[in-house]
Amino acid sequence: DGGITQSPKYLFRKEGQNVTLSCEQNLNHDAMYWYRQDPGQGLRLIYYSQIVNDFQKGDIAEGYSVSREKKESFPLTVTSAQKNPTAFYLCASSPYRGTYEQYFGPGTRLTVT
Amino acid sequence: ILNVEQSPQSLHVQEGDSTNFTCSFPSSNFYALHWYRWETAKSPEALFVMTLNGDEKKKGRISATLNTKEGYSYLYIKGSQPEDSATYLCAFPSDHSGGGADGLTFGKGTHLIIQP
Repeated sequence: DGGITQSPKYLFRKEGQNVTLSCEQNLNHDAMYWYRQDPGQGLRLIYYSQIVNDFQKGDIAEGYSVSREKKESFPLTVTSAQKNPTAFYLCASSPYRGTYEQYFGPGTRLTVT
Repeated sequence: ILNVEQSPQSLHVQEGDSTNFTCSFPSSNFYALHWYRWETAKSPEALFVMTLNGDEKKKGRISATLNTKEGYSYLYIKGSQPEDSATYLCAFPSDHSGGGADGLTFGKGTHLIIQP
């Protein structure tokens, strides 16, 4: 089945540790995105990539890093510089044409203590 | 950062009743307006992407209208069913480098609960 996978579903880390969240898609989409959800807030854009080997900062990129070495993969690293890393993280992809509607993964809930 | 507002924040509707809610967005430099449905324990799913002023789109009992000049979109659900219970999100392409494949700025959503 075509879709987006994120792993793991739940992730626990100690404060001060970097952690990488996985996002893989087999939809042959060029564009991929990372969003963060916090209680009472809308989804907020962290980073996005419109093509392999290129990515752009979103609205809340501080404390995060990404790479886009393959079309299928867009991992997000939450670094120790991110002040409030505990959140629900959603990855999405879209074709780079047409309506650009986004397809979302199931999300990863990260808890940092 | 763009401001996308949705109202109401939550809504309780009796099964069989029709309902609607609103998304407000910046009317300048309009590119597209997205609607997504997010059911509990599932991923957000696209309902509509609207690009033309006056556009009306329909999917089953759900329809949406768009007014780009005044910066609002309405989502309508006719004859609500329990499976319509979800959070409905609207989103506007973020003002970064321009173009449709920018990320989206989302509203906080309307949480719809259909009561049997």
